[in-house]
Amino acid sequence: DTAVSQTPKYLVTQMGNDKSIKCEQNLGHDTMYWYKQDSKKFLKIMFSYNNKELIINETVPNRFSPKSPDKAHLNLHINSLELGDSAVYFCASSQSQDQPQHFGDGTRLSIL
Amino acid sequence: QKEVEQDPGPLSVPEGAIVSLNCTYSNSAFQYFMWYRQYSRKGPELLMYTYSSGNKEDGRFTAQVDKSSKYISLFIRDSQPSDSATYLCAMSAGGYNKLIFGAGTRLAVHP
Repeated sequence: DTAVSQTPKYLVTQMGNDKSIKCEQNLGHDTMYWYKQDSKKFLKIMFSYNNKELIINETVPNRFSPKSPDKAHLNLHINSLELGDSAVYFCASSQSQDQPQHFGDGTRLSIL
Repeated sequence: QKEVEQDPGPLSVPEGAIVSLNCTYSNSAFQYFMWYRQYSRKGPELLMYTYSSGNKEDGRFTAQVDKSSKYISLFIRDSQPSDSATYLCAMSAGGYNKLIFGAGTRLAVHP
């Protein structure tokens, strides 16, 4: 059983489009995250939610908007996609902020 | 200066070698330390989780934390080709503080 699952795995789209990435975890965790991994493999946090409440909001453009309908889901919507948004986006979850995080396999976003 | 420094490698070793991977950090508030393994086109997978200083062993893997030197290590004994991956250190001060990752070290174990 997949613990943290993201859809889609691959996303290829044109500059200026709006797209969404979905994430679901079946671990019963309270906290979920979105990370961005750039071409140099550097992993950086974007957002963190605890029980549907936004906890961490890094310096991310307003074009990125996370939404947590319940504590098992954290979706990421991106408006007006730009070339620099090309990266791998990872969703993760943990029991609490102090506990280890478990990652999905990523969504590879390519902007043409 | 980055909060967490990690040599990106690549590191190439023969099968059966002992591998040493390291990270240094600058924030003395860090007290939770993790090592993740990431295979190509996969998400990071937790290998070791340590709170505060000391050693932790799990099979062929040993994690060490030296808070006085702000230095953490991961040792892999009897390395196997299946250990070939990128290894990421990560650390946090706890509470609502974010997890900070190193840049990752790419390891190749050749038969």
